[in-house]
Amino acid sequence: GQNIDQPTEMTATEGAIVQINCTYQTSGFNGLFWYQQHAGEAPTFLSYNVLDGLEEKGRFSSFLSRSKGYSYLLLKELQMKDSASYLCAVRVNQAGTALIFGKGTTLSVSS
Amino acid sequence: DADVTQTPRNRITKTGKRIMLECSQTKGHDRMYWYRQDPGLGLQLIYYSFDVKDINKGEISDGYSVSRQAQAKFSLSLESAIPNQTALYFCATSEAGPTTYNEQFFGPGTRLTVL
Repeated sequence: GQNIDQPTEMTATEGAIVQINCTYQTSGFNGLFWYQQHAGEAPTFLSYNVLDGLEEKGRFSSFLSRSKGYSYLLLKELQMKDSASYLCAVRVNQAGTALIFGKGTTLSVSS
Repeated sequence: DADVTQTPRNRITKTGKRIMLECSQTKGHDRMYWYRQDPGLGLQLIYYSFDVKDINKGEISDGYSVSRQAQAKFSLSLESAIPNQTALYFCATSEAGPTTYNEQFFGPGTRLTVL
């Protein structure tokens, strides 16, 4: 079966750094995505990792270790608008199924 | 204008009724997907289509059917709606091919309530 685990909830304060972890056990692997979803809205793409290592994009970075089945999303200089759910998703193979999503981590940023 | 649109945005229906949710896209993508999202359960794939002649079942296809009328249109039908199909439904699209991330772009969602 396919399994993707993330913490359900996290809290942090403005200006801080937060790391959201994701572990996965899937039948195959062809890339890991992070999406941001504000309440009641559509998910929006944040980052993609297919090779081991860190991908940096402004205040957001994403890390992948394929051997450990592990990824994290790092958010720096937190802002109130970063309060949202963060979804980890794995593409099992290029030509086959679509994305398998974790249940999401709800991040609350307070002042 | 939005690249991926869904109609209706909200719908309340009764048990046993047939309902269709529609998705249109102007991104020119070949691949389209339907997901449902329930509180605390994340996004679950219902059906996906990699081109007009290709339809595939996802994780939770029972009770649903789809139609890919054109490259730009992908409809989801509930033949006989039941209360546990109450959820937020998202349509998504993506490109095909090895040169991009092939990330999925989501529509705004349809909130469906089955009484």
